[in-house]
Amino acid sequence: DIQMTQSPSTLSASVGDRVTITCRASQSITSWLAWYQQKPGKAPKLLIYEASDLESGAPSRFSGSGSGTEFTLTISSLQPDDFATYYCQQYNSYPLTFGGGTKVEIK
Amino acid sequence: EVQLLESGGGFVQPGGSLRLSCAASGFTFSSYAMSWVRQAPGKGLEWVSAISGSGGSTYYADSVQGRFTISRDNSKNTVYLQMNSLRGEDTAVYYCAKGAPTTVFDSWGQGNPVTVSS
Repeated sequence: DIQMTQSPSTLSASVGDRVTITCRASQSITSWLAWYQQKPGKAPKLLIYEASDLESGAPSRFSGSGSGTEFTLTISSLQPDDFATYYCQQYNSYPLTFGGGTKVEIK
Repeated sequence: EVQLLESGGGFVQPGGSLRLSCAASGFTFSSYAMSWVRQAPGKGLEWVSAISGSGGSTYYADSVQGRFTISRDNSKNTVYLQMNSLRGEDTAVYYCAKGAPTTVFDSWGQGNPVTVSS
C-alpha cells in the first residue's frame, strides 16, 4: 500500500499569509494526487486533482505542484474561509490512501 | 446539480450488520465509479470501497475486505454498502463519493454516522 505523509499536522497562520502544505508518497505516484478541504461537520471538497489542476469553482488562490513522491498545496493569501483541514489523496493505485491531514488554524 | 443522499446508518452491536444506501441524482450515474469513504471520530479520512460504473469491478480496503460488500443498482441510481461482522473500529461517519470519473472524488454525500458498540 502507498503511504501518504502530510506535514505539518497543524499550522497556525494569519489572514493574508502564504501557506504551504507538503504531502509525501512512499513510492512514486507520478501526478495522481488530489487535495481536499474539510470543515468541521462537513463533507470534504475537492480543490486540486492531478497534482496541479484546479477544480472548477475552487478559488484561484489555491495551487498545487509536484510529481513523483513530493507534492505541495499552496494558498497564496489565506482568507477567513480557508481555516479548515486539508487532505491529500493518492489515486495511482488501490487501495486509495489519504494523508493524515493538516489543520490550518487562526494565529 | 449533483446530489448524493445517504441513508441506513445508525447504532449496531459488535458482530451485527448494516446496509448503507446512497441515492444519486444530477448526473449519468452509470458512467461514474462510486466509492465509500469513512471518518472515525476526530480522525482523518479512510477510503473503504469502490465500484466501477458498470458494477463489474469492485475494490476494498484491507480493513474491510471479506466483511463489507459494495454494490450498485444503476436502474435506481443507488450505491450500497453491506457491512457485516461489524467491529468497534468501524464506528465512523460514512460518506459516499462520486468518482471524477473514477478515483478522484468531486461530489460527496452529507455523511451517515455508524456506531458499533455494546
